[in-house]
Amino acid sequence: EAEVAQSPRYKITEKSQAVAFWCDPISGHATLYWYRQILGQGPELLVQFQDESVVDDSQLPKDRFSAERLKGVDSTLKIQPAELGDSAMYLCASSPGGAGDTEAFFGQGTRLTVV
Amino acid sequence: AQSVAQPEDQVNVAEGNPLTVKCTYSVSGNPYLFWYVQYPNRGLQFLLKYITGDNLVKGSYGFEAEFNKSQTSFHLKKPSALVSDSALYFCAVRDINAGNMLTFGGGTRLMVKP
Repeated sequence: EAEVAQSPRYKITEKSQAVAFWCDPISGHATLYWYRQILGQGPELLVQFQDESVVDDSQLPKDRFSAERLKGVDSTLKIQPAELGDSAMYLCASSPGGAGDTEAFFGQGTRLTVV
Repeated sequence: AQSVAQPEDQVNVAEGNPLTVKCTYSVSGNPYLFWYVQYPNRGLQFLLKYITGDNLVKGSYGFEAEFNKSQTSFHLKKPSALVSDSALYFCAVRDINAGNMLTFGGGTRLMVKP
């Protein structure tokens, strides 16, 4: 069964350092999402791609966060510099796109701890 | 803007009893609605969705949900709860006129006690 792959699963970094997360969506999925989930809360959308184009990044803190999906396949989310408040689970999801009636498929997430 | 509300932070139910997890939504157009479940330190797993047609939809693990357009609700239900159903549940919505943006509620923790 096809899955969304994310790495690393866990990351501990010191504040002010740079950190990057990688996501490989299900093959053929045009829409890719990055969500941030604080423990015990709902996922909050950071950025949404349609192929290689950003559809929505209104909630992405652009002074420190960046995201790219250069060839419209896999994607990287970067934080530089990391702050203590960035500690959270970062979830990647993908869906076929199109009419929007297909569910999004989630990866296992990357648990970030900033110390 | 689209939004989802899950009014209960936690729902407690005894094993074997029916359960309901509540969800209400707000969209400008017609909604696509989804339920997901999350176990500790894992990603979200899809349970079921409402797209069109019958207001009662059935999903994985015996769960079902009822779409009510007049009340803008999409409550998750199960006739007989299992201890293994204990997890975090999320309702999500897409406005079909707003591309593929997927917005989640804050989540409800379901605790099923033996």
